[in-house]
Amino acid sequence: DAGVIQSPRHEVTEMGQEVTLRCKPISGHNSLFWYRQTMMRGLELLIYFNNNVPIDDSGMPEDRFSAKMPNASFSTLKIQPSEPRDSAVYFCASSPTRESEAFFGQGTRLTVV
Amino acid sequence: KNEVEQSPQNLTAQEGEFITINCSYSVGISALHWLQQHPGGGIVSLFMLSSGKKKHGRLIATINIQEKHSSLHITASHPRDSAVYICAVRSGANSKLTFGKGITLSVRP
Repeated sequence: DAGVIQSPRHEVTEMGQEVTLRCKPISGHNSLFWYRQTMMRGLELLIYFNNNVPIDDSGMPEDRFSAKMPNASFSTLKIQPSEPRDSAVYFCASSPTRESEAFFGQGTRLTVV
Repeated sequence: KNEVEQSPQNLTAQEGEFITINCSYSVGISALHWLQQHPGGGIVSLFMLSSGKKKHGRLIATINIQEKHSSLHITASHPRDSAVYICAVRSGANSKLTFGKGITLSVRP
């Protein structure tokens, strides 16, 4: 298996634009997680899905952020409109169950100017 | 106070040294994870443990549930061990992961 695949690897966008980050989890994994990493706050859980259903979205910063998982092999994290403070590395991870070890993607480095 | 505290914040060691990284937490947990993040940014899960000790190669992770404390030991350290080591605990009804800030380890040749 190729592991968790995220795209794009890097994204630079202007403030106010919509940004969509994509994730393909490992086949057969039932849980998918979106994390954000910044220098100030470290790694934070944004949202996680179990069997394609959002279980906990309490980490989503505000209404500008939304996440979907239309099927077991694809998830998106959308920011609309983007702001400079959204600049961070966004990681997607998947695991066989939500209590198992998680496998991380390479991350998407987002810069909002 | 953060739920997960790691110490020391930064650590520099000489190749071959025995290294210990600590993690303390303040909540009841179902599991604790140790993660490694290399300068390129990728994150790798090293261990997941809920009691006792686990060993993988030169890495050993221990946890003391009563004291709410875990340690990650690296024996015969090597420059390629240079990375950020992150402790995370799983707790709550939703098994949410809470992360420490991470420790930056630099091993000099």
